[in-house]
Amino acid sequence: EDKVVQSPLSLVVHEGDTVTLNCSYEVTNFRSLLWYKQEKKAPTFLFMLTSSGIEKKSGRLSSILDKKELSSILNITATQTGDSAIYLCAVGAIKAAGNKLTFGGGTRVLVKP
Amino acid sequence: SAVISQKPSRDICQRGTSLTIQCQVDSQVTMMFWYRQQPGQSLTLIATANQGSEATYESGFVIDKFPISRPNLTFSTLTVSNMSPEDSSIYLCSVPRTGNLMNTEAFFGQGTRLTVV
Repeated sequence: EDKVVQSPLSLVVHEGDTVTLNCSYEVTNFRSLLWYKQEKKAPTFLFMLTSSGIEKKSGRLSSILDKKELSSILNITATQTGDSAIYLCAVGAIKAAGNKLTFGGGTRVLVKP
Repeated sequence: SAVISQKPSRDICQRGTSLTIQCQVDSQVTMMFWYRQQPGQSLTLIATANQGSEATYESGFVIDKFPISRPNLTFSTLTVSNMSPEDSSIYLCSVPRTGNLMNTEAFFGQGTRLTVV
């Protein structure tokens, strides 16, 4: 059974701090790893990673995939209160029954002013 | 990116009743996915809705409890049947940006927050 594990479960930081979120996975027929931000109900897409070692950046957020270690990290620098959210990691895998995403449990980030 | 309209946004329902959630996409998509997110939990895939064929359900989910319709390539419904308080969750529909889920990100509808009393 495919597994995606995120750590830490939650963290509290102050504005300006840097946070690093972890995602590890055990899946067969891995194809992609995705990061989402969930503030209310609908997750919004952040990054999709398919190749090891290539960092993707968007403003203060960046992410990288390590296929050897079966893991990914998401970094947020100079955090702001608007970064408070649940960050979800999902892994895409090719299955005989149909391709699908498996989500991790999420990391709840709270940024205090 | 696809625009996904999901409704209702929220509902409070009596146990034993059923609720149908609608998902409308502004472009044709082959696959649509329905997820459940129980309080404090992550997203769990309920089923994949394929146009022209029956939905494919994940382990632990059955058609009698979560019937799905997919009448065309832009629309799907999920019904939560004979509801109990354990069905209180956020329900989300999702579509891939392009045809192949493995080569692209997935977008989500706004979600339906269901409370069963």
